[in-house]
Amino acid sequence: AQKVTQAQTEISVVEKEDVTLDCVYETRDTTYYLFWYKQPPSGELVFLIRRNSFDEQNEISGRYSWNFQKSTSSFNFTITASQVVDSAVYFCALSEGDNAGGTSYGKLTFGQGTILTVHP
Amino acid sequence: DGGITQSPKYLFRKEGQNVTLSCEQNLNHDAMYWYRQDPGQGLRLIYYSQIVNDFQKGDIAEGYSVSREKKESFPLTVTSAQKNPTAFYLCASSLRRGSYNEQFFGPGTRLTVL
Repeated sequence: AQKVTQAQTEISVVEKEDVTLDCVYETRDTTYYLFWYKQPPSGELVFLIRRNSFDEQNEISGRYSWNFQKSTSSFNFTITASQVVDSAVYFCALSEGDNAGGTSYGKLTFGQGTILTVHP
Repeated sequence: DGGITQSPKYLFRKEGQNVTLSCEQNLNHDAMYWYRQDPGQGLRLIYYSQIVNDFQKGDIAEGYSVSREKKESFPLTVTSAQKNPTAFYLCASSLRRGSYNEQFFGPGTRLTVL
């Protein structure tokens, strides 16, 4: 069974600090996809990034960067120079690859989430 | 604007009553999903549908029912059989079935049982 663990329940930082959110996953599949979502106070989840298991390149998008390491089954998310608007709950999620029969339904297994609070 | 709408935003129900949560999308997505979120927990899958007139149980389907009569609509009914229905409910959709496709989420409905 697949599992996602976000060990950090809450993180509090001061604006302009860098912050890393940890994500560790478990899966038996060789093909899978990892996602990060942001949930602001409004409640709606916002898609941030998708990474497939064959692509271990790190990715940077503005102040956001992601570090995917298969050797440690981790997919960590770093926010550089954090801002108050970054305050939200962040979820890491895992989707196992479509099976040979093509019947996969894209089920997402979510971590418990990390509450990030950025203080001015 | 394309997106997912959920209504109502807040819903109050008395014990023993069934209640239906609405989810509509105009993204022309094939797949739709219902999740439940409890405080301090991640999202858990209740039901999903890959195509019209077809749906499957997720991890916590007991006490819930769904229908998919139209591509754009996937209503969720919380029945009186659901023992602890107070939660935040999120609807999502993706372009088609398959693990590659990211899911897009609606704004959610917060259900409180009085």
